[in-house]
Amino acid sequence: GESVGLHLPTLSVQEGDNSIINCAYSNSASDYFIWYKQESGKGPQFIIDIRSNMDKRQGQRVTVLLNKTVKHLSLQIAATQPGDSAVYFCAEIASSGGYNKLIFGAGTRLAVHP
Amino acid sequence: SQTIHQWPATLVQPVGSPLSLECTVEGTSNPNLYWYRQAAGRGLQLLFYSVGIGQISSEVPQNLSASRPQDRQFILSSKKLLLSDSGFYLCAWSIPRSGGPSSYNEQFFGPGTRLTVL
Repeated sequence: GESVGLHLPTLSVQEGDNSIINCAYSNSASDYFIWYKQESGKGPQFIIDIRSNMDKRQGQRVTVLLNKTVKHLSLQIAATQPGDSAVYFCAEIASSGGYNKLIFGAGTRLAVHP
Repeated sequence: SQTIHQWPATLVQPVGSPLSLECTVEGTSNPNLYWYRQAAGRGLQLLFYSVGIGQISSEVPQNLSASRPQDRQFILSSKKLLLSDSGFYLCAWSIPRSGGPSSYNEQFFGPGTRLTVL
């Protein structure tokens, strides 16, 4: 069945270091993969997405890498800041009954220490 | 600009009591609307989605129901709450999909409702 999972439930990093959050997926037919950031008590916020025909996409301080061979997705955050502390979810798009739905992974908590 | 509202922000209800959570969207027309539930320390699970007034699709069987009485209003309800209904309920909206099955439009999430069933 469809599933999106994560390798590390918690990641602790020092402020200023780079962070890498990993995700594995199982549905090879997904056309898009998306990263969301969720701060405590708030709804998820879109960070960046990548289409399945790409292997890398860069945003502001973030880079998403897609390796379709091993069905692996990663989010790299450069110069991690305290404000980056949150739970990060990967999600994949699955077509269902004429619309696209998001399938979320369990999430990785990123803790940034000064 | 578009905004999405949810209320209440927090709710504590006894087992067996009814539930009504409301979500409204401003600044857009005919959005797709979604209800998700997030258990503590877990990911988001899609409960319902709607592509128009009165059109509701359920993703998982449960004792919850959803309704869309107006274009930008989405309501999550239950006649009798269970302990397992506790969680963080999130409403989201997106522009209707266009461009075929391989396209998608970003979903924007509301602030959520924290429900505790005792």
